Amino acid sequence: EAQVTQNPRYLITVTGKKLTVTCSQNMNHEYMSWYRQDPGLGLRQIYYSMNVEVTDKGDVPEGYKVSRKEKRNFPLILESPSPNQTSLYFCASSLGTGMSGYTFGSGTRLTVV
Amino acid sequence: GIQVEQSPPDLILQEGANSTLRCNFSDSVNNLQWFHQNPWGQLINLFYIPSGTKQNGRLSATTVATERYSLLYISSSQTTDSGVYFCLSGTYKYIFGTGTRLKVLA
Repeated sequence: EAQVTQNPRYLITVTGKKLTVTCSQNMNHEYMSWYRQDPGLGLRQIYYSMNVEVTDKGDVPEGYKVSRKEKRNFPLILESPSPNQTSLYFCASSLGTGMSGYTFGSGTRLTVV
Repeated sequence: GIQVEQSPPDLILQEGANSTLRCNFSDSVNNLQWFHQNPWGQLINLFYIPSGTKQNGRLSATTVATERYSLLYISSSQTTDSGVYFCLSGTYKYIFGTGTRLKVLA
């Protein structure tokens, strides 16, 4: 089944403890992206990647890192999480940059205390 | 950067009614996608529609790129249509619209 898989689905962590949210797709998509969703602020793009080793900032990249060493994986790294990074995170992928086949993962609900 | 506004922000319908949701974008774009976020939070791809018209069952969408808007039509609404509808636009750097929260009453 074609899908985008995020792990974990739920995570509670403490301020300052480094964490990684994984994202993997099995559709051979070039484009991958991370979003966060917050009440009243909607969905905002954090980072995106147009292909292996090609990444760029979205609208809210502060406090996050990403890497794209393999086409299928696009992990989101929080080096020193803070409570304002408590949010619902989505990973997405598409074939090329034309949104064709744009598919979202199931989401990761992160709480930083 | 591009701005994406949706209207109406909220909509309540009786089952069986029809509705039109609108997405306005501030700049010319090559991409536009409609999504449904169901009550469980899942984002479901509805249409990739940078221009023209598409239909899928009770749903159809039209994008007029030259006038910078897109419309999503829902006919004979069902309670399972409830949730939030988003449009997404941009080139590489994508911007979500503000969303329309739809509630369909039985």
